[in-house]
Amino acid sequence: SQQGEEDPQALSIQEGENATMNCSYKTSINNLQWYRQNSGRGLVHLILIRSNEREKHSGRLRVTLDTSKKSSSLLITASRAADTASYFCATTNIFTGGGNKLTFGTGTQLKVEL
Amino acid sequence: NAGVTQTPKFRVLKTGQSMTLLCAQDMNHEYMYWYRQDPGMGLRLIHYSVGEGTTAKGEVPDGYNVSRLKKQNFLLGLESAAPSQTSVYFCASSYYRPGQIIATNEKLFFGSGTQLSVL
Repeated sequence: SQQGEEDPQALSIQEGENATMNCSYKTSINNLQWYRQNSGRGLVHLILIRSNEREKHSGRLRVTLDTSKKSSSLLITASRAADTASYFCATTNIFTGGGNKLTFGTGTQLKVEL
Repeated sequence: NAGVTQTPKFRVLKTGQSMTLLCAQDMNHEYMYWYRQDPGMGLRLIHYSVGEGTTAKGEVPDGYNVSRLKKQNFLLGLESAAPSQTSVYFCASSYYRPGQIIATNEKLFFGSGTQLSVL
């Protein structure tokens, strides 16, 4: 079963708008990561946030983590057409022996229109 | 520096045939993984390895075997292909974070994928 579930499944916005994607997970984690996948390509790592962190920034990306609600959000500001891709959250859970493997969610498909 | 390289990129098999997917990484990573990606299912872990000579089962290991004879290579084998194994396969590798009581992996580096169709 998937540890992370992204919401929404699909998102369509205009260039310049902000895009927000959410991820919920079921069990305790020690880190959460976001990845991007362009159509037909492999996944590319965007950002990692540890369980003792609440917010992290990288360029136009902002990630928050709320361990009490078991949720994370990815905000892409001032979106561009090149941001069109699928976005996945992935978690590492040491408490179930998963300290060295990631479990991925089903992804959010983002489309940024000109 | 090529990163993670997967071969082949595309393959069509008949039911019952066998094949091996090769993954090679040149970043000296300890951890390597094989995932499959199906529509609406996200990525699911097939097998993984935490070092040369070691392998472990992931979420969906049935019908697959793996080997890690060299640190830089991780092979995924299908002994008798089935239509249910039609999927896109991704290999990934990651750095081991030393100095921790319980090891955790860092970000994954992915290959470009192998599109496999089993007829």
